[in-house]
Amino acid sequence: NSKVIQTPRYLVKGQGQKAKMRCIPEKGHPVVFWYQQNKNNEFKFLINFQNQEVLQQIDMTEKRFSAECPSNSPCSLEIQSSEAGDSALYLCASSLRAEVFFGKGTRLTVV
Amino acid sequence: GDSVTQTEGLVTLTKGLPVMLNCTYQTTYSPFLFWYVQHLNEAPKLLLKSSTDNKRTEHQGFYATLHKSSSSFHLQKSSVQLSDSALYFCALSPGSWQLIFGSGTQLTVMP
Repeated sequence: NSKVIQTPRYLVKGQGQKAKMRCIPEKGHPVVFWYQQNKNNEFKFLINFQNQEVLQQIDMTEKRFSAECPSNSPCSLEIQSSEAGDSALYLCASSLRAEVFFGKGTRLTVV
Repeated sequence: GDSVTQTEGLVTLTKGLPVMLNCTYQTTYSPFLFWYVQHLNEAPKLLLKSSTDNKRTEHQGFYATLHKSSSSFHLQKSSVQLSDSALYFCALSPGSWQLIFGSGTQLTVMP
């Protein structure tokens, strides 16, 4: 069973508001991913970290999203100014030796 | 670029029948393939991870064989149960800490 902990489970924000979600990866896993899963269940990769450093991120993440994974603190993903199209399930995952384990996600609704 | 194709969006079967969910991939790297299962309002859970070429891997009654010659990693089960109803995702890790998902197959098992 996955030990990746995500909070909160549900988040409701108005358009233009900041939305912040947190993730505690599984202990000992050096790589952390954030994915967005939309209402059609499609996965979109957002960003990944290895030991607090960004490995890869997509353009959208660079512009409107900010993410960090400090040592000894939860990882976080923040949307600076929420848009209706950001409504989705945000999944955090951590990885060791090519196996990736997911948390239960934060379901963001932007009204 | 790297990609994963799942041809069936929806599969509906009667309990006790066999199932095969298709997964093909495209990559220039030496890949790891995975199957994830996602029940309603749950996190995606790792179901299977590919082994060496042409070697079958099994877990919880599900099995799959990586065939590099046909770039495939189809998921099979000989007798589906009601509890197998879920979303199934095939995913490719081509290296560099990436995980690329297929579009998913919704499996519904009827009594």
